[in-house]
Amino acid sequence: DIVMTQSPDSLAVSLGERATINCKSSQSVLYSSNNKNYLGWYQQKPGQPPKLLIYWASTRQSGVPDRFSGSGSGTDFTLTISSLQAEDVAVYYCQQYYNTLTFGGGTKVEIK
Amino acid sequence: QVQLVQSGAEVKKPGASVKVSCKASGYTFTGYYMQWVRQAPGQGLEWMGWINPNSGGTNYAQKFQGRVTMTRDTSISTAYMELSRLRFDDTAVYYCARKPFEWELPVDYWGQGTLVTVSS
Repeated sequence: DIVMTQSPDSLAVSLGERATINCKSSQSVLYSSNNKNYLGWYQQKPGQPPKLLIYWASTRQSGVPDRFSGSGSGTDFTLTISSLQAEDVAVYYCQQYYNTLTFGGGTKVEIK
Repeated sequence: QVQLVQSGAEVKKPGASVKVSCKASGYTFTGYYMQWVRQAPGQGLEWMGWINPNSGGTNYAQKFQGRVTMTRDTSISTAYMELSRLRFDDTAVYYCARKPFEWELPVDYWGQGTLVTVSS
């Protein structure tokens, strides 16, 4: 199984400041035949199911604000919230779907 | 619009079984895998397996092999996840979530979740 490791476990960021979350996979999730990373990012607020933000490591899902961006390839990935808003308080998960599905442990984002 | 509506909360005793349903609407039920993911209280997300509603074929996570059964009824666009021999640590919210057959595309819609509590 592909193991996904996120860091940090939690972070507190001031409103309007940048938040950066890292995700590392135990093996590459880059599919060579189409050059796409099978890596998604999800946001989960309390009492709600996860919501898809980013797929292919950097493609924003329709309707997701452009302050959310993803980067990286192969085994190392980053989710960046460029200017944190109050409504962004949530837990963020990376997920690989290269081989079945596995999730990172989650990163809790709070307001400082 | 795409909707996945799950059955209500359940309380079960250890050793019992639970069957959670997930009714799909707003898209072609047989055109997408249905994944099942669970989340223990205050914990992360754990993939349990998927079913292909078109063929009925399944793929279960090794951890749940022998205890989980995923089925579907295409006539009512509903997927089911049954977990047997329940233990206290099976207490969790269980989610269904759809994934396109095109494997390059991610899980995109989730049900609202079903809380299963295992208690004596």
